[in-house]
Amino acid sequence: TQLLEQSPQFLSIQEGENLTVYCNSSSVFSSLQWYRQEPGEGPVLLVTVVTGGEVKKLKRLTFQFGDARKDSSLHITAAQPGDTGLYLCAGAGNAGNMLTFGGGTRLMVKP
Amino acid sequence: DSGVTQTPKHLITATGQRVTLRCSPRSGDLSVYWYQQSLDQGLQFLIQYYNGEERAKGNILERFSAQQFPDLHSELNLSSLELGDSALYFCASSAGPTRISSNEQFFGPGTRLTVL
Repeated sequence: TQLLEQSPQFLSIQEGENLTVYCNSSSVFSSLQWYRQEPGEGPVLLVTVVTGGEVKKLKRLTFQFGDARKDSSLHITAAQPGDTGLYLCAGAGNAGNMLTFGGGTRLMVKP
Repeated sequence: DSGVTQTPKHLITATGQRVTLRCSPRSGDLSVYWYQQSLDQGLQFLIQYYNGEERAKGNILERFSAQQFPDLHSELNLSSLELGDSALYFCASSAGPTRISSNEQFFGPGTRLTVL
């Protein structure tokens, strides 16, 4: 069974601060996706990383896939209150495209 | 808007009852996935269908079943409901299992099920 551990579980910061969320596993994934979820809504796909060592940027968000494709990180620069939400990483194995989700990081950015 | 639709948005029912949740995938997507999200368990994969056939099964209870119809919409049937079945149920869709990009899953808005 593939497991993904996310840390931290909760993060409360002031507007303008930087933060990093980590997603770790002992398993290799064919790809890894990051989602953001608002209360009562479905997860929204932010990015997919496929190649080991890959770095993708989405405005103030930087996503990195580990060289061994077992871990990933999400870095947010100069966080804004609008970044508040639940961030989820999800890994895809080689068979069936089933996603294994991490437990999530609940981020609150205070103005 | 992901393009995935789910109905109903909210469902309140009693223990022992049976309910059906419906999902329409994004136009062109052949795979449909069902997930359960509860406060203590996070997002758990239940089952996947691809072009009408069951493709993968997760921790889906025997009281739960699903199917995908020829028009590719899917239904998740939950029977003999228990209090612990109260959760958000999400449907997601993707193009299919044959391309790396098809790993990208797009989620619907979910159905909130409350069992009283």
